[in-house]
Amino acid sequence: DTAVSQTPKYLVTQMGNDKSIKCEQNLGHDTMYWYKQDSKKFLKIMFSYNNKELIINETVPNRFSPKSPDKAHLNLHINSLELGDSAVYFCASSRQPGQGQPQHFGDGTRLSIL
Amino acid sequence: AQSVTQPDIHITVSEGASLELRCNYSYGATPYLFWYVQSPGQGLQLLLKYFSGDTLVQGIKGFEAEFKRSQSSFNLRKPSVHWSDAAEYFCAVGANSGYALNFGKGTSLLVTP
Repeated sequence: DTAVSQTPKYLVTQMGNDKSIKCEQNLGHDTMYWYKQDSKKFLKIMFSYNNKELIINETVPNRFSPKSPDKAHLNLHINSLELGDSAVYFCASSRQPGQGQPQHFGDGTRLSIL
Repeated sequence: AQSVTQPDIHITVSEGASLELRCNYSYGATPYLFWYVQSPGQGLQLLLKYFSGDTLVQGIKGFEAEFKRSQSSFNLRKPSVHWSDAAEYFCAVGANSGYALNFGKGTSLLVTP
């Protein structure tokens, strides 16, 4: 009965490769998000999607391309991986923002670039 | 832009002692404020939230927080800390019409016997 699930949990790969992270939520939410947590544990928004439409793209390099096939899924594809992409990536979901709707987070995907 | 500041990077408390984690926000209107907890290797779990009404909000695991507009603060408190409370705590403010959370840099809580 996991609410927000991400796969894989760990991803170790070499510089220059292309990789994808999948995210699914079973909460019936309309809005989904990707956050990046760096080595100092700072969390920063990358993308927000509402009903499969991109709402926020927070100055993320073009190598990162989110795709939302339906409201329950928001996948993140990363091309030409660089050392600086090493981080933990969190997916989250919420009801329509407004009235302080909280975001529900997955357990994260730890990406390590060799 | 909406932002939060958590002045304490690390805090150490003894088990059974009281706890207060500080959070200051910067926002023109009434903010949406949240506290999340992250245990090692885990995702973020919502402890509590504030967006209107009673300025003292109760959350899960015995936590509470008080919104003080005059001080631009939303401090998290717990009367008696348990060893299992050791974790990273993040304060966050709703931003971009709610389509993002701006997080503070987190406070790492260590609980000693």
